[in-house]
Amino acid sequence: AQSVSQHNHHVILSEAASLELGCNYSYGGTVNLFWYVQYPGQHLQLLLKYFSGDPLVKGIKGFEAEFIKSKFSFNLRKPSVQWSDTAEYFCAVNESTGRRALTFGSGTRLQVQP
Amino acid sequence: EAGVAQSPRYKIIEKRQSVAFWCNPISGHATLYWYQQILGQGPKLLIQFQNNGVVDDSQLPKDRFSAERLKGVDSTLKIQPAKLEDSAVYLCASSSGTGRSPLHFGNGTRLTVT
Repeated sequence: AQSVSQHNHHVILSEAASLELGCNYSYGGTVNLFWYVQYPGQHLQLLLKYFSGDPLVKGIKGFEAEFIKSKFSFNLRKPSVQWSDTAEYFCAVNESTGRRALTFGSGTRLQVQP
Repeated sequence: EAGVAQSPRYKIIEKRQSVAFWCNPISGHATLYWYQQILGQGPKLLIQFQNNGVVDDSQLPKDRFSAERLKGVDSTLKIQPAKLEDSAVYLCASSSGTGRSPLHFGNGTRLTVT
């Protein structure tokens, strides 16, 4: 069974600081990788996704993520965070073949201080 | 595009009572998911439907949870009888397909069992 680990449970940054949130998954086969974000009071929404090709993918609002196959990692980055990035971030994975649903990590709560 | 609709938003019941949640997915989305999100954890899949057939219900506690999607559109998730540990947010999501298709989430139903 696949699993996803997000080791940073709560991150506090000042505006303009750089962000990197860790995500590691365990699965031996080929996977699809996603980051979802949940802003306060809103529903979960897609931030970015990776299926194949260039391991560096860009998403909305200046976020990007890098897939490192040898490390089973898909870390989320942003060069300069804003107060509006305060949210909870979830990494998710599913098998690239078949119809399996997403398996989510436990999430990282990001708090950006003005 | 109208989003995924869920009701009710909040529900408080006593243990051993029953409760039902309703979800209406995005029009045309064949795949519907119910996830359970306990406080401090990531969403955990309960059941996945494709049209009105079940794709995966391996993590659904079938002695107390049931779900149906009779006409391949909206869906109902029921808990009977509820336990204290069922306190969570129940999320419904839909997608146009499986695998690479992103999930669109509703706002969820927050259940408190006392």
